[in-house]
Amino acid sequence: DQQVKQNSPSLSVQEGRISILNCDYTNSMFDYFLWYKKYPAEGPTFLISISSIKDKNEDGRFTVFLNKSAKHLSLHIVPSQPGDSAVYFCAALLRGGYNKLIFGAGTRLAVHP
Amino acid sequence: SQTIHQWPATLVQPVGSPLSLECTVEGTSNPNLYWYRQAAGRGLQLLFYSVGIGQISSEVPQNLSASRPQDRQFILSSKKLLLSDSGFYLCAWTNGGYGYTFGSGTRLTVV
Repeated sequence: DQQVKQNSPSLSVQEGRISILNCDYTNSMFDYFLWYKKYPAEGPTFLISISSIKDKNEDGRFTVFLNKSAKHLSLHIVPSQPGDSAVYFCAALLRGGYNKLIFGAGTRLAVHP
Repeated sequence: SQTIHQWPATLVQPVGSPLSLECTVEGTSNPNLYWYRQAAGRGLQLLFYSVGIGQISSEVPQNLSASRPQDRQFILSSKKLLLSDSGFYLCAWTNGGYGYTFGSGTRLTVV
């Protein structure tokens, strides 16, 4: 049962344009969401996060939007740069005895000149 | 500052051979430790987590096991590897916060 879904396995964007990566979740218990960026043969690195009490969080070129009623979040990258080419993972936090991150399958972003 | 080390970076093992991957964390104490696997074309799947020495929880039934012999050491093992064990294995830690810090990963190919 995939609780966090990234339905687009890949995305190609021209340099300077906006990249929009989407993520859907099914579990209403999730109250914190994170985006990670991963280059080949490396571990994922934290990019940006958002609490469920907010609908937007911005950090430089990166903005995450959360629509709780639709159980949907998106990551916007503006302007996109070739160095942004990587796999982006959406993750949702499930609280319990420990903080467990549930990851989506990832979206491979290619930014071309 | 905290750092996480994971080795080896790549590994090619024959089917039926044993496996031992090691992960250590520096600069912190009593971290929560995790093993994830990224199979080809798939997302990050949580395999094991540990909240303390000797405390291991498994998320999915599989051919692998984990151990935590020391506070900042986490080991992933198998007695006999299967082809389906191939993948990219990632160790991660957190001090109870929301974000995980990942190691650089081990690419395991079972042949």
